[in-house]
Amino acid sequence: EILLTQSPGTLSLSPGERATLSCRASQSVSSNYLAWYQQKPGQAPRLLIYGASSRATGIPDRFSGSGSGTDFTLTISRLEPEDFAVYYCQHYGSSPYTFGQGTKLEIK
Amino acid sequence: QVQLVESGGGVVQPGRSLRLSCAASGFTFSSYGMHWVRQAPGKGLEWVAVLWFDGSNKYYADSVKGRFTISRDNSRNTLFLQMNSLSAEDTAVYYCAREDYDSSGYLYGMDVWGQGTTVTVSS
Repeated sequence: EILLTQSPGTLSLSPGERATLSCRASQSVSSNYLAWYQQKPGQAPRLLIYGASSRATGIPDRFSGSGSGTDFTLTISRLEPEDFAVYYCQHYGSSPYTFGQGTKLEIK
Repeated sequence: QVQLVESGGGVVQPGRSLRLSCAASGFTFSSYGMHWVRQAPGKGLEWVAVLWFDGSNKYYADSVKGRFTISRDNSRNTLFLQMNSLSAEDTAVYYCAREDYDSSGYLYGMDVWGQGTTVTVSS
Protein backbone atom coordinates (compact mmCIF):
# COMPACT_ATOMS: atom_id res chain seq x y z
CA GLU A 1 0.00 0.00 0.00
CA ILE A 2 1.29 3.44 -0.93
CA LEU A 3 0.98 5.94 1.91
CA LEU A 4 0.81 9.62 0.98
CA THR A 5 1.97 12.36 3.35
CA GLN A 6 0.99 15.94 2.55
CA SER A 7 2.67 19.04 3.90
CA PRO A 8 2.06 21.47 5.32
CA GLY A 9 -1.16 20.61 7.11
CA THR A 10 -2.29 24.23 6.87
CA LEU A 11 -0.94 26.98 4.63
CA SER A 12 -1.83 30.61 5.32
CA LEU A 13 -1.34 32.95 2.37
CA SER A 14 -2.82 36.07 0.83
CA PRO A 15 -4.50 36.45 -2.57
CA GLY A 16 -1.91 37.03 -5.26
CA GLU A 17 0.75 34.97 -3.50
CA ARG A 18 2.20 31.69 -4.71
CA ALA A 19 1.22 28.43 -3.00
CA THR A 20 3.37 25.30 -2.95
CA LEU A 21 1.85 22.08 -1.62
CA SER A 22 3.81 18.88 -1.18
CA CYS A 23 2.84 15.20 -1.38
CA ARG A 24 5.35 12.48 -0.54
CA ALA A 25 4.71 8.81 -1.27
CA SER A 26 6.01 5.89 0.79
CA GLN A 27 7.08 4.14 -2.42
CA SER A 28 7.41 5.06 -6.05
CA VAL A 29 4.16 5.85 -7.83
CA SER A 30 4.01 3.86 -11.04
CA SER A 31 3.08 5.60 -14.30
CA ASN A 32 3.02 8.81 -12.28
CA TYR A 33 -0.57 8.00 -11.39
CA LEU A 34 -0.79 10.86 -8.91
CA ALA A 35 -3.77 13.20 -8.86
CA TRP A 36 -4.64 16.40 -7.01
CA TYR A 37 -8.16 17.37 -5.94
CA GLN A 38 -9.64 20.55 -4.54
CA GLN A 39 -12.52 20.43 -2.08
CA LYS A 40 -14.54 23.35 -0.77
CA PRO A 41 -16.87 23.11 2.25
CA GLY A 42 -20.06 21.22 1.46
CA GLN A 43 -18.90 20.29 -2.02
CA ALA A 44 -17.59 17.18 -3.71
CA PRO A 45 -13.91 17.06 -4.61
CA ARG A 46 -12.85 18.42 -8.01
CA LEU A 47 -10.08 16.91 -10.08
CA LEU A 48 -7.31 19.45 -10.75
CA ILE A 49 -4.28 17.45 -11.89
CA TYR A 50 -3.80 13.89 -13.15
CA GLY A 51 -0.68 12.03 -14.18
CA ALA A 52 1.25 14.24 -11.73
CA SER A 53 1.41 17.19 -14.13
CA SER A 54 -1.55 17.33 -16.53
CA ARG A 55 -4.36 19.76 -15.87
CA ALA A 56 -7.88 18.38 -15.96
CA THR A 57 -10.45 19.90 -18.28
CA GLY A 58 -11.37 23.47 -17.40
CA ILE A 59 -8.69 23.95 -14.74
CA PRO A 60 -6.99 27.37 -14.91
CA ASP A 61 -3.34 27.45 -15.85
CA ARG A 62 -2.35 29.01 -12.52
CA PHE A 63 -2.58 25.43 -11.22
CA SER A 64 0.38 23.21 -12.06
CA GLY A 65 1.64 19.86 -10.89
CA SER A 66 5.15 18.46 -10.92
CA GLY A 67 7.21 15.60 -9.59
CA SER A 68 7.79 11.92 -10.12
CA GLY A 69 8.67 8.82 -8.16
CA THR A 70 7.89 9.67 -4.56
CA ASP A 71 7.85 13.48 -4.44
CA PHE A 72 5.10 15.59 -5.95
CA THR A 73 4.12 19.25 -5.82
CA LEU A 74 1.02 21.27 -6.57
CA THR A 75 1.72 24.93 -7.28
CA ILE A 76 -0.82 27.71 -7.53
CA SER A 77 1.02 30.60 -9.13
CA ARG A 78 -1.18 33.52 -8.04
CA LEU A 79 -3.87 32.78 -5.51
CA GLU A 80 -7.40 33.87 -6.30
CA PRO A 81 -10.02 34.18 -3.53
CA GLU A 82 -11.79 31.04 -4.82
CA ASP A 83 -8.63 28.94 -4.42
CA PHE A 84 -8.83 28.82 -0.64
CA ALA A 85 -9.91 25.26 0.04
CA VAL A 86 -8.56 21.85 1.05
CA TYR A 87 -6.31 20.03 -1.39
CA TYR A 88 -5.75 16.28 -1.52
CA CYS A 89 -3.26 14.21 -3.45
CA GLN A 90 -4.19 10.67 -4.45
CA HIS A 91 -2.46 7.63 -5.83
CA TYR A 92 -4.64 5.90 -8.41
CA GLY A 93 -4.47 3.12 -10.98
CA SER A 94 -4.04 0.26 -8.53
CA SER A 95 -5.66 -0.73 -5.29
CA PRO A 96 -5.70 0.73 -2.70
CA TYR A 97 -6.33 4.17 -4.18
CA THR A 98 -4.98 6.10 -1.22
CA PHE A 99 -5.47 9.79 -0.48
CA GLY A 100 -3.17 12.07 1.44
CA GLN A 101 -4.54 13.63 4.61
CA GLY A 102 -5.03 17.01 2.92
CA THR A 103 -3.61 20.51 3.05
CA LYS A 104 -5.89 23.34 4.09
CA LEU A 105 -5.14 26.54 2.22
CA GLU A 106 -6.48 29.45 4.22
CA ILE A 107 -6.54 33.20 3.80
CA LYS A 108 -3.89 34.99 5.85
CA GLN B 1 -24.78 16.79 -18.93
CA VAL B 2 -22.51 14.27 -17.26
CA GLN B 3 -23.92 13.59 -13.82
CA LEU B 4 -23.79 11.19 -10.89
CA VAL B 5 -26.53 11.22 -8.26
CA GLU B 6 -26.21 9.21 -5.06
CA SER B 7 -29.12 8.08 -2.93
CA GLY B 8 -29.93 5.65 -0.15
CA GLY B 9 -28.20 7.29 2.78
CA GLY B 10 -29.81 7.73 6.16
CA VAL B 11 -29.63 6.90 9.83
CA VAL B 12 -29.06 3.24 10.64
CA GLN B 13 -28.39 1.34 13.85
CA PRO B 14 -25.03 -0.35 14.45
CA GLY B 15 -24.89 -3.84 13.00
CA ARG B 16 -27.56 -3.15 10.41
CA SER B 17 -27.26 -2.87 6.63
CA LEU B 18 -27.80 -0.17 4.02
CA ARG B 19 -27.56 -0.06 0.23
CA LEU B 20 -26.43 3.04 -1.59
CA SER B 21 -27.15 3.78 -5.24
CA CYS B 22 -25.44 6.05 -7.74
CA ALA B 23 -27.38 6.92 -10.90
CA ALA B 24 -25.27 7.95 -13.88
CA SER B 25 -26.36 10.03 -16.84
CA GLY B 26 -24.85 11.91 -19.76
CA PHE B 27 -22.15 9.36 -20.56
CA THR B 28 -21.71 5.69 -21.48
CA PHE B 29 -21.75 4.27 -17.98
CA SER B 30 -20.80 0.76 -19.09
CA SER B 31 -17.43 2.03 -20.39
CA TYR B 32 -16.09 3.39 -17.09
CA GLY B 33 -14.67 2.07 -13.88
CA MET B 34 -16.50 3.45 -10.87
CA HIS B 35 -15.49 4.18 -7.29
CA TRP B 36 -16.98 4.84 -3.89
CA VAL B 37 -15.14 7.36 -1.71
CA ARG B 38 -16.23 8.44 1.76
CA GLN B 39 -15.54 11.32 4.11
CA ALA B 40 -16.21 11.13 7.82
CA PRO B 41 -17.37 14.36 9.49
CA GLY B 42 -14.50 16.84 9.62
CA LYS B 43 -12.05 14.31 8.17
CA GLY B 44 -10.29 13.69 4.88
CA LEU B 45 -11.20 11.56 1.91
CA GLU B 46 -11.05 7.78 2.17
CA TRP B 47 -11.23 5.54 -0.86
CA VAL B 48 -13.70 2.67 -0.31
CA ALA B 49 -14.00 0.49 -3.41
CA VAL B 50 -13.63 0.29 -7.19
CA LEU B 51 -15.44 -1.78 -9.80
CA TRP B 52 -14.19 -2.15 -13.34
CA PHE B 53 -16.38 -1.12 -16.26
CA ASP B 54 -17.52 -4.64 -17.01
CA GLY B 55 -17.75 -5.82 -13.42
CA SER B 56 -14.83 -8.19 -13.90
CA ASN B 57 -12.70 -6.86 -11.05
CA LYS B 58 -13.44 -5.19 -7.77
CA TYR B 59 -11.20 -4.03 -4.95
CA TYR B 60 -11.85 -2.75 -1.45
CA ALA B 61 -10.17 -0.78 1.28
CA ASP B 62 -9.13 -2.98 4.20
CA SER B 63 -11.52 -1.05 6.46
CA VAL B 64 -14.57 -2.34 4.57
CA LYS B 65 -13.39 -5.65 3.11
CA GLY B 66 -15.77 -8.48 3.92
CA ARG B 67 -18.57 -6.07 4.94
CA PHE B 68 -19.18 -3.92 1.85
CA THR B 69 -19.94 -5.08 -1.69
CA ILE B 70 -19.70 -2.90 -4.79
CA SER B 71 -21.79 -3.83 -7.82
CA ARG B 72 -23.30 -2.27 -10.91
CA ASP B 73 -26.19 -2.68 -13.30
CA ASN B 74 -25.03 -1.36 -16.65
CA SER B 75 -28.53 -1.76 -18.11
CA ARG B 76 -29.79 0.73 -15.52
CA ASN B 77 -26.68 2.95 -15.47
CA THR B 78 -26.45 2.47 -11.73
CA LEU B 79 -23.67 1.71 -9.25
CA PHE B 80 -24.40 0.20 -5.84
CA LEU B 81 -22.71 -0.18 -2.48
CA GLN B 82 -24.14 -2.81 -0.15
CA MET B 83 -22.98 -2.05 3.38
CA ASN B 84 -23.38 -4.71 6.08
CA SER B 85 -22.40 -4.86 9.75
CA LEU B 86 -22.25 -1.09 9.96
CA SER B 87 -20.49 0.62 12.84
CA ALA B 88 -20.08 4.21 13.99
CA GLU B 89 -16.78 4.35 12.09
CA ASP B 90 -18.74 4.05 8.83
CA THR B 91 -20.53 7.35 9.46
CA ALA B 92 -19.61 9.54 6.50
CA VAL B 93 -20.67 11.24 3.32
CA TYR B 94 -20.38 8.65 0.56
CA TYR B 95 -19.46 9.83 -2.94
CA CYS B 96 -19.47 7.86 -6.16
CA ALA B 97 -16.93 8.89 -8.78
CA ARG B 98 -16.03 7.99 -12.34
CA GLU B 99 -12.52 7.00 -13.35
CA ASP B 100 -11.61 8.54 -16.69
CA TYR B 101 -9.22 7.01 -19.22
CA ASP B 102 -8.15 7.30 -22.84
CA SER B 103 -8.14 4.93 -25.77
CA SER B 104 -4.73 3.55 -24.82
CA GLY B 105 -5.95 2.70 -21.33
CA TYR B 106 -4.09 5.57 -19.66
CA LEU B 107 -5.97 6.62 -16.55
CA TYR B 108 -6.94 10.19 -15.79
CA GLY B 109 -8.17 9.96 -12.21
CA MET B 110 -11.65 10.57 -10.82
CA ASP B 111 -13.06 13.26 -13.07
CA VAL B 112 -16.78 13.20 -12.22
CA TRP B 113 -18.21 13.08 -8.70
CA GLY B 114 -21.68 12.95 -7.28
CA GLN B 115 -22.89 15.33 -4.58
CA GLY B 116 -22.70 12.62 -1.92
CA THR B 117 -25.18 10.86 0.33
CA THR B 118 -24.87 10.90 4.13
CA VAL B 119 -24.78 7.72 6.19
CA THR B 120 -25.08 8.02 9.96
CA VAL B 121 -24.65 4.92 12.10
CA SER B 122 -26.10 5.52 15.52
CA SER B 123 -28.30 3.82 18.05
